[in-house]
Amino acid sequence: QVQLKESGPGLVQPSQTLSLTCTVSGFSLTSNSVSWVRQPPGKGLEWMGAIWSGGSTDYNSALKSRLSISRDTSKSQVFLKMNSLQTEDTAIYFCTIHRYWGQGVMVTVSS
Amino acid sequence: DIVMTQTPSSQAVSAGEKVTMSCKSSQSLLYSENKKNYLAWYQQKPGQSPKLLISWASTRESGVPDRFIGSGSGTDFTLTISSVQAEDLAVYYCEQYYDTWTFGGGTKLELK
Repeated sequence: QVQLKESGPGLVQPSQTLSLTCTVSGFSLTSNSVSWVRQPPGKGLEWMGAIWSGGSTDYNSALKSRLSISRDTSKSQVFLKMNSLQTEDTAIYFCTIHRYWGQGVMVTVSS
Repeated sequence: DIVMTQTPSSQAVSAGEKVTMSCKSSQSLLYSENKKNYLAWYQQKPGQSPKLLISWASTRESGVPDRFIGSGSGTDFTLTISSVQAEDLAVYYCEQYYDTWTFGGGTKLELK
């Protein structure tokens, strides 16, 4: 069945770079786009960006300058890298193909 | 960027009540070539990932109870729960996928 699972550090220092991995199963990355969505504590959902089935990417204009999404199809993994983290980037980070979602990973930005 | 606006932000309800919530987009989500509205509704309960309820503005996902009804076209959309159950207390988000993706701010259903 379709599964997505996020992994990465739970704590990141301010101004540092966040690196997250989404490992998927039950579908092919070359047939589906994968998005990253985040949710600050107690707040709503924010679409961050996506990598399309063909490998091209789209980003939320508010995050575009700091965000990079890539993938390794041989490992069924999608990667998120975001630099210059601040406390307001504290959130649960989800990967999703919209019908299916990972459980999310909580990332806290703090010194 | 397409902006999605949901109202109300929260609503207190009693079991058995009919509930409606609104979602408005800053531009039309109706694609003329296929006459489809690129609008989805999600339900999110505390501590859980969002769950897709409805896509194409009105198509329920498999297993979603028929008390959840999506309607609307163009820029104005509505999610109706015909008779709210206790398990429906959650936050509901609309999402456009006409041009990448954008979520609305959510409507929280609470117990009256």
